[in-house]
Amino acid sequence: GESVGLHLPTLSVQEGDNSIINCAYSNSASDYFIWYKQESGKGPQFIIDIRSNMDKRQGQRVTVLLNKTVKHLSLQIAATQPGDSAVYFCAENGGRIGADGLTFGKGTHLIIQP
Amino acid sequence: DSGVTQTPKHLITATGQRVTLRCSPRSGDLSVYWYQQSLDQGLQFLIQYYNGEERAKGNILERFSAQQFPDLHSELNLSSLELGDSALYFCASTPQSGLSGNTIYFGEGSWLTVV
Repeated sequence: GESVGLHLPTLSVQEGDNSIINCAYSNSASDYFIWYKQESGKGPQFIIDIRSNMDKRQGQRVTVLLNKTVKHLSLQIAATQPGDSAVYFCAENGGRIGADGLTFGKGTHLIIQP
Repeated sequence: DSGVTQTPKHLITATGQRVTLRCSPRSGDLSVYWYQQSLDQGLQFLIQYYNGEERAKGNILERFSAQQFPDLHSELNLSSLELGDSALYFCASTPQSGLSGNTIYFGEGSWLTVV
């Protein structure tokens, strides 16, 4: 079936460096994508979203890039801080309006080295 | 703090037992979603309620059921529990029945351990 996956289960970066977390999706009907951050013992926290009519969207220290041609999504975090250590999930909507259609990736564990 | 409240935070119970997880959505949100998160399956959608009515069903077992009350809080009932039901159960809410530009906000989760 359709699935969302992450290329790397663990990513280790130096504090202050930029980090890039990648996500491949396979459902060509998906037109809405979300990145979530999940810290240990907490629920997923919304970071940023993007619709398929855009290829880039920026937030505070984060940028999401969408390449629909190759069905690839990435999350860039600038100047990483210790508080950025968490598991990051991408999610796609499968072309559906409701959140019931969201498919989540397994997650990438981002580790910030001091 | 997302504004979504879940209780209990941790629960340990024996196989065959029944538990109820409770969720209070963000103030004003009409739609509640339940998700299960386990190490091998990731985050899986279980069921959605909107303003008291079931709106969508995902990979929810027949042993599980949910409801949303007039005050919009929701309960997830898990019965005949098995070891494999051990997981984190998240509740999430949105103002509307769909995303429509509104993201879903997750609670802190209820960690269920079946022994």
